[in-house]
Amino acid sequence: GAGVSQSPSNKVTEKGKDVELRCDPISGHTALYWYRQSLGQGLEFLIYFQGNSAPDKSGLPSDRFSAERTGGSVSTLTIQRTQQEDSAVYLCASSTRKDGNNEQFFGPGTRLTVL
Amino acid sequence: GENVEQHPSTLSVQEGDSAVIKCTYSDSASNYFPWYKQELGKRPQLIIDIRSNVGEKKDQRIAVTLNKTAKHFSLHITETQPEDSAVYFCAAREDTGGFKTIFGAGTRLFVKA
Repeated sequence: GAGVSQSPSNKVTEKGKDVELRCDPISGHTALYWYRQSLGQGLEFLIYFQGNSAPDKSGLPSDRFSAERTGGSVSTLTIQRTQQEDSAVYLCASSTRKDGNNEQFFGPGTRLTVL
Repeated sequence: GENVEQHPSTLSVQEGDSAVIKCTYSDSASNYFPWYKQELGKRPQLIIDIRSNVGEKKDQRIAVTLNKTAKHFSLHITETQPEDSAVYFCAAREDTGGFKTIFGAGTRLFVKA
């Protein structure tokens, strides 16, 4: 079946512009995560959703970052007034908690470059 | 806040040798510890995981050990091969309530042929 998909794959924007990143999780996966990976760095947790609700938003770097999920499926991560330090690969992952399965399946990521 | 420390940051081994990567975590409530492999330009993929009610788990050439008292867990790769070259990430998560997963900074493993 289809894996996690993300769009766009690459996004170049000017400082100060808003960007919207999209994640399509695996069908039926109730949990969805957003991470940020800067060049050569680890995975920085941003936010996760259980269904449409986001119990933990503690990883969002600033109030310029927001995310939503509708219909328990697609999620969008919005960055307002982008800054150069926002440049990174934004990874989305999804998982199901059924039968104790916790594996997070990652999407290919969106490479964001803020000029 | 929660933290996962991972060592070493870079590891170079000769083909056929073993590689060991170590992690420590701070949140005593963590009870699920996955390891991910990320090849250059690709997405992270789960290679093995362990729960806090288990001390060791093995899958072919890969094994993970967990010392919950010391809050340590380690990845062991035996008989390394060039295709094992990648960045490996450990992670810790508290699984009964939330899903927040804290990743280590990663270990870049080079296996020399």
